[in-house]
Amino acid sequence: EAGVAQSPRYKIIEKRQSVAFWCNPISGHATLYWYQQILGQGPKLLIQFQNNGVVDDSQLPKDRFSAERLKGVDSTLKIQPAKLEDSAVYLCASSLDLKGLRETQYFGPGTRLLVL
Amino acid sequence: AQKVTQAQTEISVVEKEDVTLDCVYETRDTTYYLFWYKQPPSGELVFLIRRNSFDEQNEISGRYSWNFQKSTSSFNFTITASQVVDSAVYFCALSERSGGYNKLIFGAGTRLAVHP
Repeated sequence: EAGVAQSPRYKIIEKRQSVAFWCNPISGHATLYWYQQILGQGPKLLIQFQNNGVVDDSQLPKDRFSAERLKGVDSTLKIQPAKLEDSAVYLCASSLDLKGLRETQYFGPGTRLLVL
Repeated sequence: AQKVTQAQTEISVVEKEDVTLDCVYETRDTTYYLFWYKQPPSGELVFLIRRNSFDEQNEISGRYSWNFQKSTSSFNFTITASQVVDSAVYFCALSERSGGYNKLIFGAGTRLAVHP
């Protein structure tokens, strides 16, 4: 079974530029998550989707970050304009169903973003 | 509020030593799940184990073992006879209920370096 796919793996941009990340979850997984992981910290949830609907985006900086999951499969996360503090690894994860406490999230390899 | 504490920032051991990674959590929920993930240098979080709050039986999987003690709110992870390939950052996480859905709260991680 294929895992969670993400691209690109690395991205270097200058501040105020825009950037987009792509995620393809495990086939059949209804829920998709985007996390931000700053160096030396644990992942922090940005947004979670159930199929193509947003169920929690309370920690997403909406003035510059946006995300969508059209057709309930692939997802894109965009930053516009980027700031220096956005330098981090952006992880995508998926699980079968969001509602079960026992649901295990499976992670992709992440995109390492450096904002100069 | 739910919280996960991994007090050990970095641990360095020599190959074949046993090592224990500590995890302490806080929650007001009576039903919850705890997880351990491994993050090797490649960046992907690899799922290791899931434990529910009603099952305090210790678990062993090869060189890995987990000690869950509800009385002390701890879920510690021991690697026996460590190997260089065990070098990674290890995260403990707590599944919490929020708005009808569950999400993971991660600790800050413990970086384990195993030297030959």
